[in-house]
Amino acid sequence: GENVEQHPSTLSVQEGDSAVIKCTYSDSASNYFPWYKQELGKRPQLIIDIRSNVGEKKDQRIAVTLNKTAKHFSLHITETQPEDSAVYFCAAYVYGSGNTGKLIFGQGTTLQVKP
Amino acid sequence: GAVVSQHPSWVICKSGTSVKIECRSLDFQATTMFWYRQFPKQSLMLMATSNEGSKATYEQGVEKDKFLINHASLTLSTLTVTSAHPEDSSFYICSARVGGGGNQPQHFGDGTRLSIL
Repeated sequence: GENVEQHPSTLSVQEGDSAVIKCTYSDSASNYFPWYKQELGKRPQLIIDIRSNVGEKKDQRIAVTLNKTAKHFSLHITETQPEDSAVYFCAAYVYGSGNTGKLIFGQGTTLQVKP
Repeated sequence: GAVVSQHPSWVICKSGTSVKIECRSLDFQATTMFWYRQFPKQSLMLMATSNEGSKATYEQGVEKDKFLINHASLTLSTLTVTSAHPEDSSFYICSARVGGGGNQPQHFGDGTRLSIL
């Protein structure tokens, strides 16, 4: 069935360093890949997304890359700050019959940025 | 833009009570809304897809008679946990999809923390 694998499960970096989180997906028909940031007890917030017609997208300190051939995509955070500490989820959109498509989420990565 | 409001944020009630959770898209129309359940330190587990004007689509293993979903308008979906028991205690989050296409952003509500005594 559809599956999204996310690594690492935890990541600790020093403030100012870069952080990279990687995901792989199984459904070759997936064409939409969002990333969410969730702080403790709060809602997941969409931070960046990418569609399959591009290989990379940047938004200030955040970038996402997509390799459709290998079926993997990555989140890159540069110049990390303590407020970047949170759980990050990747997701891949999977099409179903009619309007039954859905997002399949990765297991999550707990990012800790040490000041 | 794309604000999703979920209410209530916290519910504590006795076993056997039915609990209704509302999910509203405040500044956009949402043909499709989603209901998730999240256990501590775990990922988001999709329970069902709520489609305006039609029956919800439930994921495998989710009891449709236990978790009633109604999507009566383009801005409101409700989840009712019927005869809740302690094992139903969890964090329930809704999301709404912007636009009609599948590859469009989904935005989440603040979630409802349900505690059944």
